[in-house]
Amino acid sequence: EIVLTQSPGTLSLSPGERATLSCRASQSVSSSYLAWYQQKPGQAPRLLIYGASSRATGIPDRFSGSGSGTDFTLTISRLEPEDFAVYYCQQYGSSPPGYTFGQGTKLEIK
Amino acid sequence: QVQLQESGPGLVKPSETLSLTCTVSGGSISSYYWSWIRQPAGKGLEWIGRIYTSGSTNYNPSLKSRVTMSVDTSKNQFSLKLSSVTAADTAVYYCARAGRYCSSTSCYTLYAFDIWGQGTMVTVSS
Repeated sequence: EIVLTQSPGTLSLSPGERATLSCRASQSVSSSYLAWYQQKPGQAPRLLIYGASSRATGIPDRFSGSGSGTDFTLTISRLEPEDFAVYYCQQYGSSPPGYTFGQGTKLEIK
Repeated sequence: QVQLQESGPGLVKPSETLSLTCTVSGGSISSYYWSWIRQPAGKGLEWIGRIYTSGSTNYNPSLKSRVTMSVDTSKNQFSLKLSSVTAADTAVYYCARAGRYCSSTSCYTLYAFDIWGQGTMVTVSS
């Protein structure tokens, strides 16, 4: 099973700053199978990025994803107040078929 | 637009079977993979398993011995059964759809969950 490790656990930044969130896999992951989600308290996760770098429908262009192999990054170029939330990366593995999530990064207001 | 709604008992006794249903509205259940994902309070997300509209299933190896999923395309619903529950199964349970991209010639699964239900809290307690 591929394990995803996200860092940092908590990131404290101010609105307007740039956020860089990391997701490291224990084995190589196909870029097609790497996604990022945002979750706010009491809400279901929302898909931000799929295929490592493609924005989901309706996601602002301040969100971008990059990376390959075992290292992936979610970047928020200029933080808006509504961006403070928990972010999860997720991968799909084909043998056996299934999904795993990272443990999450909490993005909090400094 | 497509919406998902989980339903089922909010309280289940230890050793009994947890049963949940997800109803798909605003679109067809056909030709998609549908998953169950859970989240204990204050913790991360755990994928439980998925079902295709043909009835083909894949389960998380850590839960496989206790999980059964089924689909009813006539009702636009799919279901989860988790047997022999303990307090460790207390969580918010989400149903979710794996997105799909269609070009002019083919459709491809995105391997990411583009639509989620609001979640339903299930507590295991006597």
